[in-house]
Amino acid sequence: NAGVTQTPKFRILKIGQSMTLQCTQDMNHNYMYWYRQDPGMGLKLIYYSVGAGITDKGEVPNGYNVSRSTTEDFPLRLELAAPSQTSVYFCASSYRQGADEQFFGPGTRLTVL
Amino acid sequence: QQQVKQSPQSLIVQKGGISIINCAYENTAFDYFPWYQQFPGKGPALLIAIRPDVSEKKEGRFTISFNKSAKQFSLHIMDSQPGDSATYFCAASGDTGGFKTIFGAGTRLFVKA
Repeated sequence: NAGVTQTPKFRILKIGQSMTLQCTQDMNHNYMYWYRQDPGMGLKLIYYSVGAGITDKGEVPNGYNVSRSTTEDFPLRLELAAPSQTSVYFCASSYRQGADEQFFGPGTRLTVL
Repeated sequence: QQQVKQSPQSLIVQKGGISIINCAYENTAFDYFPWYQQFPGKGPALLIAIRPDVSEKKEGRFTISFNKSAKQFSLHIMDSQPGDSATYFCAASGDTGGFKTIFGAGTRLFVKA
């Protein structure tokens, strides 16, 4: 049981480049989330999904896109990378929405230069 | 109304001492208050959580105290150990209304040996 896995661990992008952050969970959770973590700012929700084919915006969705074609996978797409997207990105999943434990992946550290 | 305010930002405690981290929330509809622990280079992991029907929950050296009327809750770490050095996030969420989990900004705890 690997839990939540994320790739890559680290990435450096140039301004204007695009990339996809991969996230996979093997716990059969319906709910999946993408957060970004900036120093002193806690975790901000970017996008979330309540099941395959259903996604919705979180608090800071601009500059990102997601898709959820399977229960297991929830990739995050960055289009036209900007320095403001330099951050650590965490994918998480939970059995229920709201009052339930979230299981986090190890994170992807992204730098945009 | 959706904010969770966490203090202090950083905390240094002697080994064997008590670490106290405080959080305050605004939305009275929240009914689930977890604390997550994050070690450097890792994703957050659930440490302990409380529902507002109790005023205190203890698990080993970790205790959550909850004050519903003041809309405040705190994490107490008794007999703090160097291995407790990590970042701690409080959060708030709820079962109804499709609440997302709102995280505090985090507290960096360092326990001196």
